[in-house]
Amino acid sequence: DVKVTQSSRYLVKRTGEKVFLECVQDMDHENMFWYRQDPGLGLRLIYFSYDVKMKEKGDIPEGYSVSREKKERFSLILESASTNQTSMYLCASSPPGTGYNEQFFGPGTRLTVL
Amino acid sequence: RKEVEQDPGPFNVPEGATVAFNCTYSNSASQSFFWYRQDCRKEPKLLMSVYSSGNEDGRFTAQLNRASQYISLLIRDSKLSDSATYLCVVSPGANNLFFGTGTRLTVIP
Repeated sequence: DVKVTQSSRYLVKRTGEKVFLECVQDMDHENMFWYRQDPGLGLRLIYFSYDVKMKEKGDIPEGYSVSREKKERFSLILESASTNQTSMYLCASSPPGTGYNEQFFGPGTRLTVL
Repeated sequence: RKEVEQDPGPFNVPEGATVAFNCTYSNSASQSFFWYRQDCRKEPKLLMSVYSSGNEDGRFTAQLNRASQYISLLIRDSKLSDSATYLCVVSPGANNLFFGTGTRLTVIP
C-alpha cells in the first residue's frame, strides 16, 4: 500500500513564525503535491513537483515556498505565517506518466495561526 | 467561475435508498474525471474514475455528459458506511486536478 505521511496532525503557530510542513511518501513516486482545504472552497493546489529539485506553482502559491531535495520528501514552507493561512494542509503523491494518475493523500496537517 | 461546482448538501437518506450527486465543470477541454471520497477528518481517497461510456462498480455508477459538462454519481442501496463527503474531481491533463467542494452524505439507520 502507498503510504504518505505528514510530520504533524495538528500544529499551532504564531503570526510571523516560519513554519515547515513535511511530507514523505514510500512508493518512489515522481509527483508530489501540496493542497490546502478550506470549508466552501475545497482543495486548492499550492505547489507541486515532478522531480527532485523541481517545483511548479499551483493556483495559490502566494505566501508559500517548497523544497524537494529528495524524491520521497516534499516540504511546504510558510516564510511568515499569517492568520489567513490557518487551514488543513494535505500532501499527495502520484506515479509518473502522461495524463492523470491517482493521487494518494497523506492524513493532513491542521494548522492554526494565532 | 469555479472550475468544478457541486451541491454541498447535506444529503440525509435512509439506509437502502438510492441517492445521486451531480457536478458541473467549466473547462470543456477537461480530459479526466473522478469521484473521490473523504471521510470525516480523513484524507480524500479515489472512489472511481468516470468514463465517457459510464461505469459501474458494485452499488456505485458514474456517468459523464461532455455536451452538458456534468458528471454524476449514483449510489444504490445506501449503507451506513457510505456516509462521507464525495468530491468531484476534473483534470485538464498533466497531473493537474481540480476539486469540487464536496457533497456531504449521511445515511440514516
